[in-house]
Amino acid sequence: QQQVKQSPQSLIVQKGGISIINCAYENTAFDYFPWYQQFPGKGPALLIAIRPDVSEKKEGRFTISFNKSAKQFSLHIMDSQPGDSATYFCAAKRSWAGNEKLTFGTGTRLTIIP
Amino acid sequence: EAGVTQSPTHLIKTRGQQATLRCSPISGHTSVYWYQQALGLGLQFLLWYDEGEERNRGNFPPRFSGRQFPNYSSELNVNALELEDSALYLCASSLAMGRGRNEQFFGPGTRLTVL
Repeated sequence: QQQVKQSPQSLIVQKGGISIINCAYENTAFDYFPWYQQFPGKGPALLIAIRPDVSEKKEGRFTISFNKSAKQFSLHIMDSQPGDSATYFCAAKRSWAGNEKLTFGTGTRLTIIP
Repeated sequence: EAGVTQSPTHLIKTRGQQATLRCSPISGHTSVYWYQQALGLGLQFLLWYDEGEERNRGNFPPRFSGRQFPNYSSELNVNALELEDSALYLCASSLAMGRGRNEQFFGPGTRLTVL
């Protein structure tokens, strides 16, 4: 059972544009939602994370928008740059002790073209 | 500060053999997680160790096992290798469960190829 659905599978955005990646989750017990960035041959790197008590979190050019009632969250990359070209994964987990595993979306391959 | 380290970088085995993968967490982290990243399948949770104990296990057969040592480093063992075990195996670490946000930081992975 896939508990976190991510779209699109791939995305091409022009330099300077806004990249938007969406995720939807099913388990209402999830209360921690990180985004990871992965370059080829590397492990995923934590980019930004949000908890459901806020609707938006911004760090530099990266923003997470969170809609608790719709059980959806999205990553927005403003002023997208060629160096942002990577695979992005959303994830979710319950933060109570005893169940620390992350459930990942299937990933979005982002390509920023000049 | 050193990040999560994994060894070896690449591992080539034949079907039926055993593979051993190693992980050293970030200093001060006591929780270690293992994930499998097979082509086109995203990251799948394998195992979680904290303070030397197995705390949670993903939907994988028993031939996937591991352990955590007193220095918090960890080992993943895969017995009776099958072709579909070919994947990137990622290790992550975090602070102890119940402490703070438990953000997981990943290593570069071990690429396992089963021939």
